[in-house]
Amino acid sequence: ETGVTQSPTHLIKTRGQQVTLRCSSQSGHNTVSWYQQALGQGPQFIFQYYREEENGRGNFPPRFSGLQFPNYSSELNVNALELDDSALYLCASSTTGSSTEAFFGQGTRLTVV
Amino acid sequence: GEDVEQSLFLSVREGDSSVINCTYTDSSSTYLYWYKQEPGAGLQLLTYIFSNMDMKQDQRLTVLLNKKDKHLSLRIADTQTGDSAIYFCAESSNRDDKIIFGKGTRLHILP
Repeated sequence: ETGVTQSPTHLIKTRGQQVTLRCSSQSGHNTVSWYQQALGQGPQFIFQYYREEENGRGNFPPRFSGLQFPNYSSELNVNALELDDSALYLCASSTTGSSTEAFFGQGTRLTVV
Repeated sequence: GEDVEQSLFLSVREGDSSVINCTYTDSSSTYLYWYKQEPGAGLQLLTYIFSNMDMKQDQRLTVLLNKKDKHLSLRIADTQTGDSAIYFCAESSNRDDKIIFGKGTRLHILP
């Protein structure tokens, strides 16, 4: 157990809908990163949040957005869902500049039909 | 650009050593990682090595880094059935905290 919790664990959405995924960071960690892991692929960096602001973004369209709250928990929002958004979404918490101490949650499995 | 490549499958007999190989392209990589993912689970950091090191040993795990060739390997001694999983090679740099992952190597243990 890493202390990073994600919710929900699974969900099914219809194409065009919007979804919000949640992540509670490990105690003492102030940075949350989100990754998308498509089936049979490695995780791909979506973005990172530090001090409630986006602090780096991967190659994902603007319909992927996020928030970080004062308690360092975070949300990932995806608008206008597409079939290709079906994936395991992982969040990782860490302290800034300490990627070697990033702990991953169990992930949220999103299926878009 | 940043890219991490690794073979997709490896089969090893129980009790033998497993060696998983990886290559990367980013010459400014600072840390190289090995993560383990079991079915339906998140990612577990197994070990990492700083880019100015060439070897790190941690119990049954040995990491070798050839920085000149940008080649990283993970050796698991005395492979057990519980080692069956997908192993991801990954790297990060001091530019930012994002971690770049390979596609993963599925390790299958033969009885």
